[in-house]
Amino acid sequence: DTAVSQTPKYLVTQMGNDKSIKCEQNLGHDTMYWYKQDSKKFLKIMFSYNNKELIINETVPNRFSPKSPDKAHLNLHINSLELGDSAVYFCASSRPGGGVREKLFFGSGTQLSVL
Amino acid sequence: DQQVKQNSPSLSVQEGRISILNCDYTNSMFDYFLWYKKYPAEGPTFLISISSIKDKNEDGRFTVFLNKSAKHLSLHIVPSQPGDSAVYFCVLKGGSNYKLTFGKGTLLTVNP
Repeated sequence: DTAVSQTPKYLVTQMGNDKSIKCEQNLGHDTMYWYKQDSKKFLKIMFSYNNKELIINETVPNRFSPKSPDKAHLNLHINSLELGDSAVYFCASSRPGGGVREKLFFGSGTQLSVL
Repeated sequence: DQQVKQNSPSLSVQEGRISILNCDYTNSMFDYFLWYKKYPAEGPTFLISISSIKDKNEDGRFTVFLNKSAKHLSLHIVPSQPGDSAVYFCVLKGGSNYKLTFGKGTLLTVNP
């Protein structure tokens, strides 16, 4: 009964391939996020969806496309993978409103390695 | 440009002693301050927070101190326990969409 689950946990692929990472939360939250932790260890927001609508879209290449089929799911599709995309990707969710006091619940991360 | 700086990448303390993790920030727009804790192969989990109108918040063994004039935040853990060994992220919140800004993290090791 994991609160925020993402699959796969590890993803190793060749440059140029297209891959997807799936995320599901069973907390009843309306807001979901994708974060990227790069080699310098900074966790940076990529996207945020509130009730299936995109509300935050940081400066991320167009090769990254989030898709939210419903408010419990936020998948990340990456086209034409590059070496620099290698990172750990975290999905997260928070309660409705996303106000200043709302805390995030994170998945366990997907380690993406592009060869 | 790092808006959130955790200058100590690692910290080692003895069980039972105090752990002090520090964080400095540069932008006054931040109005809510959090600490997240991360174990290996897991996602970060919320630990404790403080709003900009306070200078101290305590929750059991964990206390967060905020010095707004110095733009400095610290987390005190006392007494430290081996289970506290993890990476601690200083996280700041602010702006119109309450976006979180993470520091690089400090790896705390509590030795038995």
